[in-house]
Amino acid sequence: AIQMTQSPSSLSASVGDRVTITCRASQGIRNDLGWYQQKPGKAPKLLIYAASSLESGVPSRFSGSGSGTDFTLTISSLQPEDFATYYCLQDYNYPVTFGQGTKLEIK
Amino acid sequence: QLQLQESGPGLVKPSETLSLTCTVSGGSITSSTYYWDWIRQSPGKGLEWIGNFYYSGTSYYNPSLESRVTISVDTSKNQFSLKMTSVTATDTAVYYCARRVGGSIGAFDIWGQGTMVIVSS
Repeated sequence: AIQMTQSPSSLSASVGDRVTITCRASQGIRNDLGWYQQKPGKAPKLLIYAASSLESGVPSRFSGSGSGTDFTLTISSLQPEDFATYYCLQDYNYPVTFGQGTKLEIK
Repeated sequence: QLQLQESGPGLVKPSETLSLTCTVSGGSITSSTYYWDWIRQSPGKGLEWIGNFYYSGTSYYNPSLESRVTISVDTSKNQFSLKMTSVTATDTAVYYCARRVGGSIGAFDIWGQGTMVIVSS
């Protein structure tokens, strides 16, 4: 199975900060990657698909980049509602695998 | 607006079979564009993909669970189901059903709200 390694595991930041979360695949996955936001007690929400395409309705402060093995999620200016846990996942091949998550907390 | 809703027992005894159903409303489960997946999340842990079903009848499973898992579909009810045999406490988790867009773009675009299943005697 392809391993997805996210970093950092946790991150403290302030409203207005620019933050970047990275995801590294154990082998090349083209751009077959999505980014998700999960808040406590809720299902994950799709933010970015195909590594860099913004899901409809998601604010433009979220952006994704990368291809192959290295990917990033960037939030350009943190808003209070952005404090959550973020996951990447690959569906390049089966089994679909997720990163371990990055918990974004208020500084 | 397509919606997914999980249903099933919230408590299952060890060694028994966990059975969950996902009801799809506002769209057809027989669409060729999508896969229909199950994903779980153990308390305080990350996300684990269980498996999926495609309208053609094909199912794919996580090798770590494949020997215990079956995903099936009832097109007449627009539902798909998960059966997991011989459960243990490690199968305690929130179980989500989700729709995944075909074409390997990493897009689980619609999720159910999730249902908590506890394995305990």
